[in-house]
Amino acid sequence: EDQVTQSPEALRLQEGESSSLNCSYTVSGLRGLFWYRQDPGKGPEFLFTLYSAGEEKEKERLKATLTKKESFLHITAPKPEDSATYLCAVQAPSGNTPLVFGKGTRLSVIA
Amino acid sequence: DGGITQSPKYLFRKEGQNVTLSCEQNLNHDAMYWYRQDPGQGLRLIYYSQIVNDFQKGDIAEGYSVSREKKESFPLTVTSAQKNPTAFYLCASRRMAAAYNEQFFGPGTRLTVL
Repeated sequence: EDQVTQSPEALRLQEGESSSLNCSYTVSGLRGLFWYRQDPGKGPEFLFTLYSAGEEKEKERLKATLTKKESFLHITAPKPEDSATYLCAVQAPSGNTPLVFGKGTRLSVIA
Repeated sequence: DGGITQSPKYLFRKEGQNVTLSCEQNLNHDAMYWYRQDPGQGLRLIYYSQIVNDFQKGDIAEGYSVSREKKESFPLTVTSAQKNPTAFYLCASRRMAAAYNEQFFGPGTRLTVL
């Protein structure tokens, strides 16, 4: 069974304190790995898609990277507005199967 | 504006009643999905549909039903058989072409059973 594990479950950072969130997966033949941001009471907002090991994508203070077994979401000099839950999902080799989601990392950035 | 709409935003139901949650998209996406989100449990797939008039059960389909009569609409009915329906429900959609894997979400409906 395909599995996606995110760590840590929760992370508390001071404003400006850079860190990384981890997403490890066991699906073989990954077709895509996706990062989302979810604010409380709202639907997840799409951030990045990564397709192959070594690929990197950036958006403002966020940078996503991918290896053969895991992905990292690096947050550089975070601000309080970066506080949210970050979800990771993977796409199995068959493009018609639904995404498999991790349980998310709840990030709090304190001013 | 293109996007996914869900209504209502908040819904209250008495025990024993069926209730239908609406999901509409104008993105011309082929596939649509329903998820349930509970604190600490992440997103759990209820049902999904990749083509009109066809749908498949997800991981927690018991107590729910869906229909897909139009490409842009995928309503979810929470029946009285669902033992613990209080949750945040999310609808999502995506194109099925190989180059378009991204899945987009609606704003969600919070259902509370009184």
